[in-house]
Amino acid sequence: SQTIHQWPATLVQPVGSPLSLECTVEGTSNPNLYWYRQAAGRGLQLLFYSVGIGQISSEVPQNLSASRPQDRQFILSSKKLLLSDSGFYLCAWSSGGALNEQFFGPGTRLTVL
Amino acid sequence: AQSVSQHNHHVILSEAASLELGCNYSYGGTVNLFWYVQYPGQHLQLLLKYFSGDPLVKGIKGFEAEFIKSKFSFNLRKPSVQWSDTAEYFCAVNDGNAGNMLTFGGGTRLMVKP
Repeated sequence: SQTIHQWPATLVQPVGSPLSLECTVEGTSNPNLYWYRQAAGRGLQLLFYSVGIGQISSEVPQNLSASRPQDRQFILSSKKLLLSDSGFYLCAWSSGGALNEQFFGPGTRLTVL
Repeated sequence: AQSVSQHNHHVILSEAASLELGCNYSYGGTVNLFWYVQYPGQHLQLLLKYFSGDPLVKGIKGFEAEFIKSKFSFNLRKPSVQWSDTAEYFCAVNDGNAGNMLTFGGGTRLMVKP
């Protein structure tokens, strides 16, 4: 069966520090991968998605970037965190095609102080 | 760009009450519709989905949703809620795009009092 992992689960970082959040998927190959940010009362906002290794699409301009160095690994990064980057970050995967549901990871709670 | 609206941000019900959560979307073309649920401390998970066919879709745990194309709506219903239904509910839409990208509504927090 497929599983999706995210780490760390929680993170507290100072403003201006770098960020690296990791997401890995097991039990499937060539998944579509997604990064979302969940803000209270605003639902989930799609940040990045990837349909293959090295292929990243950004949905909103921001202080963050994403990379996909391996088929089942998706990384969310920042060179210098801002206060506004605080939030709950969710990784998700799907097997491609609009008829397939997305499966979500446990999330990372990021607090920027 | 698409948008999804969930007008009820917080709902409080007593057990056995009926539930209806509203969801409206803006896209005028063919859409695929989803309801996701996030129970306290758990992953976001799929409750039900609509792609085509019968506009009344049944999902897990006694939930159902009705797609009304003329109203751009996909409301979630349950005839009798339980305390264990306390969770946050998200409506989501995709337009058949190649990346299977979803647009989510703002979510509705449901609290069911025992």
